[in-house]
Amino acid sequence: DAGVIQSPRHEVTEMGQEVTLRCKPISGHNSLFWYRQTMMRGLELLIYFNNNVPIDDSGMPEDRFSAKMPNASFSTLKIQPSEPRDSAVYFCATTGLADEQFFGPGTRLTVL
Amino acid sequence: GENVEQHPSTLSVQEGDSAVIKCTYSDSASNYFPWYKQELGKRPQLIIDIRSNVGEKKDQRIAVTLNKTAKHFSLHITETQPEDSAVYFCAASIQDDKIIFGKGTRLHILP
Repeated sequence: DAGVIQSPRHEVTEMGQEVTLRCKPISGHNSLFWYRQTMMRGLELLIYFNNNVPIDDSGMPEDRFSAKMPNASFSTLKIQPSEPRDSAVYFCATTGLADEQFFGPGTRLTVL
Repeated sequence: GENVEQHPSTLSVQEGDSAVIKCTYSDSASNYFPWYKQELGKRPQLIIDIRSNVGEKKDQRIAVTLNKTAKHFSLHITETQPEDSAVYFCAASIQDDKIIFGKGTRLHILP
């Protein structure tokens, strides 16, 4: 298995533009998590899904952020419109039957 | 709400010495405590974990201890090596599959 796959790895965009981050979980893993990492705030959980259903989105900072998981092999995190303070590394992580969370390589987002 | 506190935020130790990182958690229902290592520009990776039914677990130079009564858990790295330099995160489960992370400890191994 290739592990958790995220795309793009780097994204540079201008303020106000829509940004879509993508994640492909490890096959068979039924929980998927989106995290945001910054120096100031550390690793923050934004939202997580279990069996494609959003369970807890209390970490989503505001309505500009939305996430979907249309099937077991794909999830997106969308920011519309993006702002400079959204600049961060966004990680997707998944778990299977065990508790260990496997992280993807992350997407480094820069909003100018 | 649920919280995980981690100390220190930065730690420098001489190569060969031991390093200790401490965490406290607030949710008495937490029963799973993983530790992640994140090298510069890389993703966090699990290095060791412990469950609430044991008090200590060891894997080569790394050990974790858990005190459920005090809601404390710690990571111990012995005989530190340059490749141990990284940011270490503790975490605690709070519900279902969800875990909450500490703010991280940047460990520097000095030559």
